Amino acid sequence: TQLLEQSPQFLSIQEGENLTVYCNSSSVFSSLQWYRQEPGEGPVLLVTVVTGGEVKKLKRLTFQFGDARKDSSLHITAAQPGDTGLYLCAGAEDSDFGNEKLTFGTGTRLTIIP
Amino acid sequence: KAGVTQTPRYLIKTRGQQVTLSCSPISGHRSVSWYQQTPGQGLQFLFEYFSETQRNKGNFPGRFSGRQFSNSRSEMNVSTLELGDSALYLCASGRASYEQYFGPGTRLTVT
Repeated sequence: TQLLEQSPQFLSIQEGENLTVYCNSSSVFSSLQWYRQEPGEGPVLLVTVVTGGEVKKLKRLTFQFGDARKDSSLHITAAQPGDTGLYLCAGAEDSDFGNEKLTFGTGTRLTIIP
Repeated sequence: KAGVTQTPRYLIKTRGQQVTLSCSPISGHRSVSWYQQTPGQGLQFLFEYFSETQRNKGNFPGRFSGRQFSNSRSEMNVSTLELGDSALYLCASGRASYEQYFGPGTRLTVT
């Protein structure tokens, strides 16, 4: 069973500050996804990264997939209260295309203080 | 396009009972996965169905089962409920296993 460790587990910062969340594993993934979950709702897919070293930007959010496809980071610039939520990474195991099983990380609970 | 819907949203059961949860995927999605989310264990994969066949299975006891119908709607069943089964049960659909669009979940409380 592949494990995905996220750090930090909890993060509370002031509005306007920058932050980085990490997702690490000893296993290689064919792709990695980031989700945000708000209370009472299911996770919402933010981005999928596929190529080692890939960087994707979504407004103030920057996602990077490690060169070896074992780790990823999420950087938020000028955090806003609307960024508050549980951030989850999920890795797809290397297997037959379309039949990958997702393993979710331990989660980072982010709170942005106005 | 309507999102993934799950019913019921909230459920209270007592130990020893069984429960059935329902999930309607996004139209056109043939893959439906189920997850259990708890504060202590996080989001854990239960099983995935694709075209009415179970394609992947997580490490849960046999009390947890599921099925998928020809219209891609899915149900999961938990028999002989235990206190530890209290959790948010999430359903996700997609065109493939790695593509997951989640529903709002069913909050199950076992007393």
